[in-house]
Amino acid sequence: DQQVKQNSPSLSVQEGRISILNCDYTNSMFDYFLWYKKYPAEGPTFLISISSIKDKNEDGRFTVFLNKSAKHLSLHIVPSQPGDSAVYFCAAKGMKTSYDKVIFGPGTSLSVIP
Amino acid sequence: DAGVTQSPTHLIKTRGQHVTLRCSPISGHKSVSWYQQVLGQGPQFIFQYYEKEERGRGNFPDRFSARQFPNYSSELNVNALLLGDSALYLCASSLLGAVDGYTFGSGTRLTVV
Repeated sequence: DQQVKQNSPSLSVQEGRISILNCDYTNSMFDYFLWYKKYPAEGPTFLISISSIKDKNEDGRFTVFLNKSAKHLSLHIVPSQPGDSAVYFCAAKGMKTSYDKVIFGPGTSLSVIP
Repeated sequence: DAGVTQSPTHLIKTRGQHVTLRCSPISGHKSVSWYQQVLGQGPQFIFQYYEKEERGRGNFPDRFSARQFPNYSSELNVNALLLGDSALYLCASSLLGAVDGYTFGSGTRLTVV
């Protein structure tokens, strides 16, 4: 049972345009959401996060939007750059548990075309 | 400062064998978590250790075990390897409860033949 879903396995965007990566979750106990970026032959690196008490968090070119009623979040990258080409994982965790169990989605492979 | 280091980077084993993977966390991080990433999927939680004790376990069989040492480094052991255990094994260190999640190592690529 996949609790975090990323229904688009891949996405291609022109350099300078906006990239929008989508994520849906099913577990209402999740109260913290994260995005990780992964290059080949490297481990995932933390990108940006959002608490369930917020609906938007921005960090430079990256903005994450959370719609709790729809159990949906999205990552916007503006403007997209070729170096942003990577696999992006949406992830979620429940802050009230006694340990850190982060649930990852299957990932979306983003290609930014120069 | 050194990041999370994992060894070996690549490993080929035969079905039925045993394997030990190693991880050294970021200095000051007392929590180590292990994840398995099968091709085409996101990382799946295996274990979390904090202060040498198991804090959480994912849905993996008893063939998978781990431990954490006094210096906070960790080992992941897998017995009776199956072809389906072929995956990238990721170690992550963190401050327990940190809201920015983990810092991952580059992983160990295990191939079972």
